[in-house]
Amino acid sequence: ILNVEQSPQSLHVQEGDSTNFTCSFPSSNFYALHWYRWETAKSPEALFVMTLNGDEKKKGRISATLNTKEGYSYLYIKGSQPEDSATYLCAFYAGGTSYGKLTFGQGTILTVHP
Amino acid sequence: SQTIHQWPATLVQPVGSPLSLECTVEGTSNPNLYWYRQAAGRGLQLLFYSVGIGQISSEVPQNLSASRPQDRQFILSSKKLLLSDSGFYLCAWSPGRGSLNQPQHFGDGTRLSIL
Repeated sequence: ILNVEQSPQSLHVQEGDSTNFTCSFPSSNFYALHWYRWETAKSPEALFVMTLNGDEKKKGRISATLNTKEGYSYLYIKGSQPEDSATYLCAFYAGGTSYGKLTFGQGTILTVHP
Repeated sequence: SQTIHQWPATLVQPVGSPLSLECTVEGTSNPNLYWYRQAAGRGLQLLFYSVGIGQISSEVPQNLSASRPQDRQFILSSKKLLLSDSGFYLCAWSPGRGSLNQPQHFGDGTRLSIL
């Protein structure tokens, strides 16, 4: 059973604050790490798919880093806005026999207060 | 462009009744298809995935079954619902073989309440 852990479980920040959260995953048999944003009453939306150790990806004010050797990824949000309020999910994809299957973390619930 | 449709959006069913949730994908062929469930206070749990017509892999022992009668149609079923089947069900697709670095794309979900 693959274990994907996200911390913190929830986070409250003020508008304009920068914030970050963590996703921990198995460091063996790594193939890809996904990040999704899930806003209330909407479906999860893909942010990043990361595959290479040391990878950094950026989308507007959101960026992510990846360390496959130690098994963690950070998601950063610069200058948080109320519309960033959502649950942020990471998901681990191990290659080989687990073809096509993502294992999701529990998510970090971010609330940005105006 | 590709789209995914999932219905119904909400469903209230009595214990012991049957279930059928449907998901269809448009604008792509040979997708991988997935059914997830989010139980209250928990993350997304993969229930079933399919890499082709008639090919279903089950992730957890449960009261549910899945079928893929056509390339872009994925159905989640139960003959007799249990209270523990309550939750939020999401269908998703991703490109098939050769595109394993692509993200999954989710439907809008079905909120299932069992009374």
